[in-house]
Amino acid sequence: NAGVTQTPKFQVLKTGQSMTLQCAQDMNHNSMYWYRQDPGMGLRLIYYSASEGTTDKGEVPNGYNVSRLNKREFSLRLESAAPSQTSVYFCASSVDSSNQPQHFGDGTRLSIL
Amino acid sequence: EDKVVQSPLSLVVHEGDTVTLNCSYEVTNFRSLLWYKQEKKAPTFLFMLTSSGIEKKSGRLSSILDKKELFSILNITATQTGDSAIYLCAPARREYGNKLVFGAGTILRVKS
Repeated sequence: NAGVTQTPKFQVLKTGQSMTLQCAQDMNHNSMYWYRQDPGMGLRLIYYSASEGTTDKGEVPNGYNVSRLNKREFSLRLESAAPSQTSVYFCASSVDSSNQPQHFGDGTRLSIL
Repeated sequence: EDKVVQSPLSLVVHEGDTVTLNCSYEVTNFRSLLWYKQEKKAPTFLFMLTSSGIEKKSGRLSSILDKKELFSILNITATQTGDSAIYLCAPARREYGNKLVFGAGTILRVKS
């Protein structure tokens, strides 16, 4: 079972370049999330999509955009990458936006030089 | 502002030891608290706690929530090297979007 699949697994960018991180889930979940994880800070929510057709800002949305392409796919875009966006990015999904656990992908390690 | 504090930040134990991981929280509109285990990659779901005082168990792991004192503990008995991981505590807010507020985690290393 694939669950939540993220691509790419690793990426190195130069400052100012753009990049889209892809996420797809095969669990028929309605809600999807993007987080970043930095040392000593836990996971912080960037954007989320409670259901297909909706997206909302999380705790740290600046410098990012998202697209909920369909029920399965939720992409995260960095329009002009900055060194402060060097991080590990996780995508997650849940059945819906009620009291349900979120299930995570394996992450994308992104370095911006 | 929401606050989640996990302690200890890290610990090293020997196989067979019992460990207790702590999570205290101050979260607006608290609904439930989730525990995750993170090895090299994806955080994996362990428990979701909604009610105070009701222990949840899965094998050697157990967890309990105290909604009055605003904390939760995760116990691991008879630890094994495979328990080495980061353990994340994440209260959920009762609001649109099912958003989680993560603590920084406890790094557990189990030595053989």
